[in-house]
Amino acid sequence: NAGVMQNPRHLVRRRGQEARLRCSPMKGHSHVYWYRQLPEEGLKFMVYLQKENIIDESGMPKERFSAEFPKEGPSILRIQQVVRGDSAAYFCASSQERQGFSNGYTFGSGTRLTVV
Amino acid sequence: TQLLEQSPQFLSIQEGENLTVYCNSSSVFSSLQWYRQEPGEGPVLLVTVVTGGEVKKLKRLTFQFGDARKDSSLHITAAQPGDTGLYLCAGRQGGSEKLVFGKGTKLTVNP
Repeated sequence: NAGVMQNPRHLVRRRGQEARLRCSPMKGHSHVYWYRQLPEEGLKFMVYLQKENIIDESGMPKERFSAEFPKEGPSILRIQQVVRGDSAAYFCASSQERQGFSNGYTFGSGTRLTVV
Repeated sequence: TQLLEQSPQFLSIQEGENLTVYCNSSSVFSSLQWYRQEPGEGPVLLVTVVTGGEVKKLKRLTFQFGDARKDSSLHITAAQPGDTGLYLCAGRQGGSEKLVFGKGTKLTVNP
């Protein structure tokens, strides 16, 4: 009974490099959400995707960040030309359908990005 | 400005004590969720409350949603070391799919 799988668990990148974070939702889940958690901060919404569609990207920085959820394969959060301020834990969550009022997310274990 | 304020930020108690943590806002939420997060892991959903005044119990944990759906509390009875973790509240506004999270209460239960 695999949950939401994120990889890698830890990622170290030098300033200016690209970071690719992957998220495989739970089986049967077609909705994916990305959140970022900075040290001593709560989780901040970044983007909500369905298969092949970005539904809400209001939390994504305008530059350098992009996300996709292709028909086949995992969802990818891509950060180009990383800077030290991008260092954070990035969490992916999935759900089976649009959240009903009583539904919650299933989160993955996160990818901890460190920019050196 | 933090939309959801959680208090206290840190709480350290002895095993067997009772505690209450709070999640407050000036905004109305259509639903509110509580999560527990352990170091190095993602948040795990504990409960969702939807109706103003709603009370839900999960073993030794009691969750309450305020009548006006602006605040919530989590009460733990006879805390155990296994309850140690970061407790996060998160709210949804209207029909939005986004969750707004508080910064959390870091609970330590000492044996």
